[in-house]
Amino acid sequence: SAVISQKPSRDICQRGTSLTIQCQVDSQVTMMFWYRQQPGQSLTLIATANQGSEATYESGFVIDKFPISRPNLTFSTLTVSNMSPEDSSIYLCSVGWTSGITDTQYFGPGTRLTVL
Amino acid sequence: GQNIDQPTEMTATEGAIVQINCTYQTSGFNGLFWYQQHAGEAPTFLSYNVLDGLEEKGRFSSFLSRSKGYSYLLLKELQMKDSASYLCAVRDYSNYQLIWGAGTKLIIKP
Repeated sequence: SAVISQKPSRDICQRGTSLTIQCQVDSQVTMMFWYRQQPGQSLTLIATANQGSEATYESGFVIDKFPISRPNLTFSTLTVSNMSPEDSSIYLCSVGWTSGITDTQYFGPGTRLTVL
Repeated sequence: GQNIDQPTEMTATEGAIVQINCTYQTSGFNGLFWYQQHAGEAPTFLSYNVLDGLEEKGRFSSFLSRSKGYSYLLLKELQMKDSASYLCAVRDYSNYQLIWGAGTKLIIKP
């Protein structure tokens, strides 16, 4: 298993500002992902964070709005830029790896963001 | 297309057994995950199946039939703390992404 921490755990921000969320894993992992989950809904993948290169974004998400860094195999950041109330959500870091036929994916505790 | 179906909500009694079904139609399949998610918390990994059959882990078991595109999560000796949403997700081998079901809200009654 892996221990995943996220900072901050929650924040309340003003419209038009930006927030950077950090994700730290206690071991090196192959894959790191950023998800968003709005109340009562399932998880939506924002992007795959690639170590040493640009993140791979899903449809509807762009780098200018959600810049992502992944400088090494244990750390990543997601920035939510120029925030609006529609960005209020829980943001989740997730890590995954494969070993033989076994596949694993764990989630961090999440960052609860409220934009006023 | 990609589609994963789960019941929206189920109710069961403390101490009983409940089976949560998941059917899937995906363009690529590389395993099926079950997660538990309590309200306001992150999903917690429960199980992963890639081969047909039953995997047992304590009170929780997960079953997979690839030919039928079907899985279930079986919870035994239900406890009040098992009240949560249970999410089914399929790994797409083409891009390593998880395709998510909408989740099943399980309500446990005394």
